[in-house]
Amino acid sequence: DTGVSQDPRHKITKRGQNVTFRCDPISEHNRLYWYRQTLGQGPEFLTYFQNEAQLEKSRLLSDRFSAERPKGSFSTLEIQRTEQGDSAMYLCASSSQTGSEQFFGPGTRLTVL
Amino acid sequence: AQTVTQSQPEMSVQEAETVTLSCTYDTSESDYYLFWYKQPPSRQMILVIRQEAYKQQNATENRFSVNFQKAAKSFSLKISDSQLGDAAMYFCASFLIQGAQKLVFGQGTRLTINP
Repeated sequence: DTGVSQDPRHKITKRGQNVTFRCDPISEHNRLYWYRQTLGQGPEFLTYFQNEAQLEKSRLLSDRFSAERPKGSFSTLEIQRTEQGDSAMYLCASSSQTGSEQFFGPGTRLTVL
Repeated sequence: AQTVTQSQPEMSVQEAETVTLSCTYDTSESDYYLFWYKQPPSRQMILVIRQEAYKQQNATENRFSVNFQKAAKSFSLKISDSQLGDAAMYFCASFLIQGAQKLVFGQGTRLTINP
């Protein structure tokens, strides 16, 4: 399978804990995006990378959120001191240089108790 | 600002019939793409169809076609010969070629196919 993969698929954590998600993009894609989707809503942009450079961050990405893509391949999204409001599906997508056609992974569903 | 609006939270259609999902958008840019994505209950987002703003011809992909009205900033999706597998959430999205490099999604329309 050469699509976008995400790990884990589900994460349940207690409020205040830190969590980290991983995304592996399609191998030849140099752009990687993170989105957040709450129940019944469309995805909202969080951040994106071109190779290893983080080029844009949404105001939704508070100081508790950090994303990295150290070697321009996979990316991690860490949430520190999780809050109940962080419960959502976190989607990763990748695209080629033009960025117009994004391919999505299956998402990581986070539940904060 | 870049906004996308889907005014139909839910739609239903009889199997084999045709249904049209509505979308309007707003942007001050002239170069952009518009998309329809499908999200089945398994929740993986799948690209259905893409339209380049500079193209006057409406995009078509098999049973899926769009009605792109640039002046009205309208981008509707028509699904012909609806099948049970078409049941899903459908999201309209825009992408600016210059500027903010991100997809901006509408709120989605839940499509139900009645057998």
